[in-house]
Amino acid sequence: DAKTTQPTSMDCAEGRAANLPCNHSTISGNEYVYWYRQIHSQGPQYIIHGLKNNETNEMASLIITEDRKSSTLILPHATLRDTAVYYCIVRTIQGAQKLVFGQGTRLTINP
Amino acid sequence: DTGVSQDPRHKITKRGQNVTFRCDPISEHNRLYWYRQTLGQGPEFLTYFQNEAQLEKSRLLSDRFSAERPKGSFSTLEIQRTEQGDSAMYLCASSPRGPNYEQYFGPGTRLTVT
Repeated sequence: DAKTTQPTSMDCAEGRAANLPCNHSTISGNEYVYWYRQIHSQGPQYIIHGLKNNETNEMASLIITEDRKSSTLILPHATLRDTAVYYCIVRTIQGAQKLVFGQGTRLTINP
Repeated sequence: DTGVSQDPRHKITKRGQNVTFRCDPISEHNRLYWYRQTLGQGPEFLTYFQNEAQLEKSRLLSDRFSAERPKGSFSTLEIQRTEQGDSAMYLCASSPRGPNYEQYFGPGTRLTVT
């Protein structure tokens, strides 16, 4: 079972920041937080990952709370092409490192 | 395009027939994964290869399913005696060897069993 809890759906206006929350209260010390998204009819796409520090790349920022029990993915200037299902995944770096997907958050960017 | 490719993209088959899907990972990625995704659900892990060795299989992978990666490059997933419940998107992903690399997904093969 997935170790994360996410809202089922969210809406955001185009051009605004989209903030997607994720709860992972049972995360272990050696587990990373990964975010993927899946645009309709495509395979999932990696966005960002982190252990305990905040991370930023060209796509998004990841804010992880100090106790690591929750995180927020931030898309700073959402566009219509960011409409997708966003998956928050807790993943160990040991073993096969398979991804365990939950239901994700369906983010809709509105014009 | 140097991404993960899958073939075919769509497959319609009748119940009881066998089907085979192919995945070509990103060159030099030695890890390869298969996932299955049904409508409205997130992808579910099926199996994992490191080079040609199949190192982990989910209990979702029944005896009718078999996966191979004979030369450590491309992989095939075969489903024998297909059932309507096998209708799903079959996704392949690859990653480099190492503790913390992301997985790169292909576009998937959509299987419809009638």
